[in-house]
Amino acid sequence: SQQGEEDPQALSIQEGENATMNCSYKTSINNLQWYRQNSGRGLVHLILIRSNEREKHSGRLRVTLDTSKKSSSLLITASRAADTASYFCATDAEGSGSRLTFGEGTQLTVNP
Amino acid sequence: DAGITQSPRHKVTETGTPVTLRCHQTENHRYMYWYRQDPGHGLRLIHYSYGVKDTDKGEVSDGYSVSRSKTEDFLLTLESATSSQTSVYFCAIKDRGAGELFFGEGSRLTVL
Repeated sequence: SQQGEEDPQALSIQEGENATMNCSYKTSINNLQWYRQNSGRGLVHLILIRSNEREKHSGRLRVTLDTSKKSSSLLITASRAADTASYFCATDAEGSGSRLTFGEGTQLTVNP
Repeated sequence: DAGITQSPRHKVTETGTPVTLRCHQTENHRYMYWYRQDPGHGLRLIHYSYGVKDTDKGEVSDGYSVSRSKTEDFLLTLESATSSQTSVYFCAIKDRGAGELFFGEGSRLTVL
């Protein structure tokens, strides 16, 4: 079974709006990562947040982590049509031996 | 872009034939991974390697074998392909345990 589960499965917004995607996981983690995948391409790393961090920013991205709820959220502010992609969370679970487990992803569509 | 090359990028084969997918990196990273991506399942880990000749199974390893005789190459072999192995296969690399993955562009395999 998947360690990370994203919510919602699909999200459609207008340019300029903010997009929020959520990820829940089941076990204790070393870190949680977010990736982006454009159609037909490989995944690209966006941001990594460690288990002792609560919030992290990178440009228009803001990631939060709540280890007590075993959940994370990715916020993309002022979205652009070019942000249209699938977004995946991945967990590096404690004792996993450097293996990342991915969720099923959120398909984000940003309409011009 | 991380120096990862997957080959072939597309392959159509018949049930029962052997198939080998190759992942080649120029980054000298220690860790290499093979994932498969299917609708409704996200990315699932098949096998991974933490050094030359050091490999281990992931969550969906049945029907697959791997080899890593050199740092730069990680081969995924389907000894006898089945239709259930129709998928997009991604190779990924990582230079240290708690780091981010760099993905290749994927290999689309169709087993008829």
